[in-house]
Amino acid sequence: EPEVTQTPSHQVTQMGQEVILRCVPISNHLYFYWYRQILGQKVEFLVSFYNNEISEKSEIFDDQFSVERPDGSNFTLKIRSTKLEDSAMYFCASSRGNGRSNIQYFGAGTRLSVL
Amino acid sequence: AQTVTQSQPEMSVQEAETVTLSCTYDTSESNYYLFWYKQPPSRQMILVIRQEAYKQQNATENRFSVNFQKAAKSFSLKISDSQLGDTAMYFCAFTAYQGGSEKLVFGKGMKLTVNP
Repeated sequence: EPEVTQTPSHQVTQMGQEVILRCVPISNHLYFYWYRQILGQKVEFLVSFYNNEISEKSEIFDDQFSVERPDGSNFTLKIRSTKLEDSAMYFCASSRGNGRSNIQYFGAGTRLSVL
Repeated sequence: AQTVTQSQPEMSVQEAETVTLSCTYDTSESNYYLFWYKQPPSRQMILVIRQEAYKQQNATENRFSVNFQKAAKSFSLKISDSQLGDTAMYFCAFTAYQGGSEKLVFGKGMKLTVNP
């Protein structure tokens, strides 16, 4: 069964460094999402991506964040200058469409630890 | 803004018993979907069941069923004949049908433990 894969599973970085979190969505899916979950808190929406552009972003998704689909298979989340409060689990998801095709399939997540 | 509330942080149940997980939500939208996702330890979230708001009939998937009360904005999940593999975090989630990308709004989650 196709699945969303995320790498790495755990990323440790120093404050101020740039990190890139990688995701390979399911191949025939058209909508891509990033969510994050700070320890003990809710899973929060960050950004959605469709047709090679951002379709919606949350207020969390400020200028330090960017997303890219560089090669038609990978979907990346870049955090330019990490802060301590960026420490969280980051989940990638994809869906085939919207409406009745809106089921989102999630990756196992990347745990980002900012020291 | 939509909100999803799961008031029970943790529950445990004996194998083969039935357990109900509660969820309430708040929205002014008329077209929306509700979901229950399951996240086993160290694994990804997988969809358990989905309910379309305009359907009055409650969704069922094998041992999993929902009690969708639209007026009360309540969406509970019933797990029948609980199995050890049901041990997981369970997240209730909402999305409004917008015709474009449809972000999920999650509850805080509930940890379910099924005991042998």
